Amino acid sequence: GAVVSQHPSWVICKSGTSVKIECRSLDFQATTMFWYRQFPKQSLMLMATSNEGSKATYEQGVEKDKFLINHASLTLSTLTVTSAHPEDSSFYICSADTTGTSGGKAYEQYFGPGTRLTVT
Amino acid sequence: AQSVTQLDSQVPVFEEAPVELRCNYSSSVSVYLFWYVQYPNQGLQLLLKYLSGSTLVESINGFEAEFNKSQTSFHLRKPSVHISDTAEYFCAVRTYSSASKIIFGSGTRLSIRP
Repeated sequence: GAVVSQHPSWVICKSGTSVKIECRSLDFQATTMFWYRQFPKQSLMLMATSNEGSKATYEQGVEKDKFLINHASLTLSTLTVTSAHPEDSSFYICSADTTGTSGGKAYEQYFGPGTRLTVT
Repeated sequence: AQSVTQLDSQVPVFEEAPVELRCNYSSSVSVYLFWYVQYPNQGLQLLLKYLSGSTLVESINGFEAEFNKSQTSFHLRKPSVHISDTAEYFCAVRTYSSASKIIFGSGTRLSIRP
């Protein structure tokens, strides 16, 4: 249980175009999802916290107009990289919160497999 | 605010040797503690966690970690490593607050030599 999927797993796009990445919780409902960015050989950097039905909360230094997050349902959050540039190339990972569930999984986040974005 | 320090960016060990990956944290409130593993080009997988109770927690693949409140540490250990353990390991903390952020350490790359 508690599986999170991401689509696509990798994407190559041209500079100036927009790319949408989907994050889905497959077997549970996620009120809160998180979006991370990871550069090679570095740790995960939290970009934003996505709450179902409300605006995302962005971390300091993250451009909300460039990284659009939509959490339209309890099982889906999307990250759209608008007007992508080569410096946006990175590994993007989402996670979903299981807060409130029982059975020892309270306050545990489950991570998606990641999406590798390459902007040429 | 919380912070996590993983002092060792890389740890090379020989196969079947023991290993310890160090993790120290700082927090003014109580936290949950986690170790995640990331294999190349993959997402994160939860290795083990400390929520409460026994300070020694174990994973299904032989890793263990011990929560030491006085030293604010949560070091990860394995008595005998395998080639398949080669990966990046992240220590992380999270406060008790609902939907709080996970704070990650910088990661430790474990490389196993045959």
